[in-house]
Amino acid sequence: NAGVTQTPKFQVLKTGQSMTLQCAQDMNHNSMYWYRQDPGMGLRLIYYSASEGTTDKGEVPNGYNVSRLNKREFSLRLESAAPSQTSVYFCASKGRGTSGSYEQYFGPGTRLTVT
Amino acid sequence: AQSVTQPDIHITVSEGASLELRCNYSYGATPYLFWYVQSPGQGLQLLLKYFSGDTLVQGIKGFEAEFKRSQSSFNLRKPSVHWSDAAEYFCAVGSFPNDYKLSFGAGTTVTVRA
Repeated sequence: NAGVTQTPKFQVLKTGQSMTLQCAQDMNHNSMYWYRQDPGMGLRLIYYSASEGTTDKGEVPNGYNVSRLNKREFSLRLESAAPSQTSVYFCASKGRGTSGSYEQYFGPGTRLTVT
Repeated sequence: AQSVTQPDIHITVSEGASLELRCNYSYGATPYLFWYVQSPGQGLQLLLKYFSGDTLVQGIKGFEAEFKRSQSSFNLRKPSVHWSDAAEYFCAVGSFPNDYKLSFGAGTTVTVRA
């Protein structure tokens, strides 16, 4: 199992450019999440998808859109990038761990810089 | 609304010494609590979690945490720190599994000196 994978690992954009961050999981999990991580602020939830075909806003959704393409894939789109969106983006999925209780599994992250 | 406070931004500890990281949460019902560790340039790895039952939970890498409902705390401890424990640590609180959203604290950076 690859777990949660994210592409790209690094990206530099100019203000106003658009791009899509890709995320895929091979654990057959229903729920998937996008977070951003900024220094001194921990992780903040951007959007989540409780199941295939549904998406909901998290704490900081402005400037982003998401698509739950299928059960495996959950993409995050920046339509017009702004310097305030410079951050590290993490995708996660939720499923049962070895103990039988739910937990979130995180991808390695995408470091995005907007100039 | 759920929230997490990690009062210590940065802690420096000597190798072999004990470590305690503080976490206070605000949550309206029974919380689901987690500690994650992030090494530089890496993603987040789950150290341990509390859902119910025994309030002292054991995790990986020799870490443990104690849930104290009366103090709204979930502090992380390790008796003897190794240099490889240098990382950033995040406490998180989640809602009921059917609406499973996590709120993270701002993190505590741990530096280990020889």
